[in-house]
Amino acid sequence: GNSVTQMEGPVTLSEEAFLTINCTYTATGYPSLFWYVQYPGEGLQLLLKATKADDKGSNKGFEATYRKETTSFHLEKGSVQVSDSAVYFCALSGGSQGNLIFGKGTKLSVKP
Amino acid sequence: EADIYQTPRYLVIGTGKKITLECSQTMGHDKMYWYQQDPGMELHLIHYSYGVNSTEKGDLSSESTVSRIRTEHFPLTLESARPSHTSQYLCASSEFQRSSYNSPLHFGNGTRLTVT
Repeated sequence: GNSVTQMEGPVTLSEEAFLTINCTYTATGYPSLFWYVQYPGEGLQLLLKATKADDKGSNKGFEATYRKETTSFHLEKGSVQVSDSAVYFCALSGGSQGNLIFGKGTKLSVKP
Repeated sequence: EADIYQTPRYLVIGTGKKITLECSQTMGHDKMYWYQQDPGMELHLIHYSYGVNSTEKGDLSSESTVSRIRTEHFPLTLESARPSHTSQYLCASSEFQRSSYNSPLHFGNGTRLTVT
């Protein structure tokens, strides 16, 4: 069945550092891929998505490219801010009954 | 501004009590979900619904039950709370499509439940 694996955290960076959070998947068919973010004390919110191979999702300076050849959807940001401190979840469609499959989450802490 | 509301935000309750966690959404979404989030942040789907009068069990077995009498409302009930139920509970909703691949989830801010 479909599955998603993302890098374990926590990840600690200094402000303005480059961020990469790795996400790889296994899937049959052509799933859509998502990144969700959970800020402290809140629920998850959609950060970006890509629905087909080579699509690039982007939002708030974050980017991720749907790479079918490497089955990856890595999240990147060129210069992180303290306000980016949160937990990031990679997800793909195609779970049982059409539900999303979430990775285990990666906690990011950005220090001033 | 959140379009999906969960109450209460925090609940501390004694063992054996019956509790209901409320979830309401104003977006007219057909599909709704309950996730349990453990301290390590991992999400576990425990219930979902396709619409009124539809309830399904998720990937993680749960002693809780749900109901869906109105489109906008999807409460979760624990008949007899136990310390093992201590967790964060997140409600979500999405548009229902036959191919739900492009339908993002909208989450509430969660209820943090502590059973003593």
